[in-house]
Amino acid sequence: SQKIEQNSEALNIQEGKTATLTCNYTNYSPAYLQWYRQDPGRGPVFLLLIRENEKEKRKERLKVTFDTTLKQSLFHITASQPADSATYLCALPNRGGAGNNRKLIWGLGTSLAVNP
Amino acid sequence: GAVVSQHPSRVICKSGTSVKIECRSLDFQATTMFWYRQFPKKSLMLMATSNEGSKATYEQGVEKDKFLINHASLTLSTLTVTSAHPEDSSFYICSARDQRARQETQYFGPGTRLLVL
Repeated sequence: SQKIEQNSEALNIQEGKTATLTCNYTNYSPAYLQWYRQDPGRGPVFLLLIRENEKEKRKERLKVTFDTTLKQSLFHITASQPADSATYLCALPNRGGAGNNRKLIWGLGTSLAVNP
Repeated sequence: GAVVSQHPSRVICKSGTSVKIECRSLDFQATTMFWYRQFPKKSLMLMATSNEGSKATYEQGVEKDKFLINHASLTLSTLTVTSAHPEDSSFYICSARDQRARQETQYFGPGTRLLVL
């Protein structure tokens, strides 16, 4: 079955540095991959979607890469700020299903703490 | 755009009672909504996929008679936890897909914290 792995340990970085989070997957070649942010006690918030034919995608201080050979996506936050502290989730479409009914498979998430 | 609300945000109930959680897409129509539960420091666990006007599709191990889902309109889905027990205490989150959107992004509600005493 499809499996997603994210860094299980919390990531602590200094304000201003670049945070890099990893998402690895197995047994699958997804058409796209998504990244979400989740704050404690809140629902996830969609950040970025990257398709299999895109190597890199950017949105403001966020950058996502997608290496279909390594089966890995990297999520970067440049010039990190304390407000970026949250859990970041990686999600892939389930192999089965189509269109609006297709489920997402979720990673456990990586907790990021940006220290002032 | 793409705002999803959930009500209530927090509920405490006695064991044996039923609790209804509402999920609304405020500025778009959602033919498909998803219901998740999440335990502390655990991943999102999909419970069921809800389609407007039809029966929900439940994930393996989720009791459909225990967790009743109704998706009566394009902007509203409800989850009713029937005869709630302490082990049903959890964080319940809904999400919705914009039926007009090309990409399969899910927009999440803020979640409902359920505590069953």
